[in-house]
Amino acid sequence: DAKTTQPPSMDCAEGRAANLPCNHSTISGNEYVYWYRQIHSQGPQYIIHGLKNNETNEMASLIITEDRKSSTLILPHATLRDTAVYYCIVRVARSGGYNKLIFGAGTRLAVHP
Amino acid sequence: DTEVTQTPKHLVMGMTNKKSLKCEQHMGHRAMYWYKQKAKKPPELMFVYSYEKLSINESVPSRFSPECPNSSLLNLHLHALQPEDSALYLCASSLGFGGANQPQHFGDGTRLSIL
Repeated sequence: DAKTTQPPSMDCAEGRAANLPCNHSTISGNEYVYWYRQIHSQGPQYIIHGLKNNETNEMASLIITEDRKSSTLILPHATLRDTAVYYCIVRVARSGGYNKLIFGAGTRLAVHP
Repeated sequence: DTEVTQTPKHLVMGMTNKKSLKCEQHMGHRAMYWYKQKAKKPPELMFVYSYEKLSINESVPSRFSPECPNSSLLNLHLHALQPEDSALYLCASSLGFGGANQPQHFGDGTRLSIL
């Protein structure tokens, strides 16, 4: 299974961009990269996903390198409420049409005033 | 606010008790999931239901018994659990389980403690 590697923790000043890196060097051509975050005492929250192209939504931007071996999640203007564990996930195809989310260990992002 | 509702939020039970965890969604999703999350670890998949039928069992011990009574409800029946089963149990749902643009939506979980 494709695995992801993330830094265990990062800090960011409020109002600045938070850039969270992820390595997934063994990713296969049809496997998607997903990002979720988990705020303390809550369930994981979907942020964004992509395959090859860069993606942007109201929460974040996802930049995927051309060789697809790494990606970066960008929170353009971090707020205190963005403090959470951010999971970079590869979605792996399984038999029967099922796609399994393989969670990495996550990055604990602390946004400070 | 999450659109996947789990009850109870907290549960303490003895090793001989029988209890059930409940999960409900009204988004019309046809795939539902149970995950287990130990402290400071990522979630681990336990079961997947698709169209109310069990599709995936990730080698989970039989003391955990899932049930999907209808397309909106998912239960996890617990019996004879061990202290190491103490964890956060998360339910998730998605429109289907195969499509690219079908992210899973998670509930806030049930925090289970086994005495």
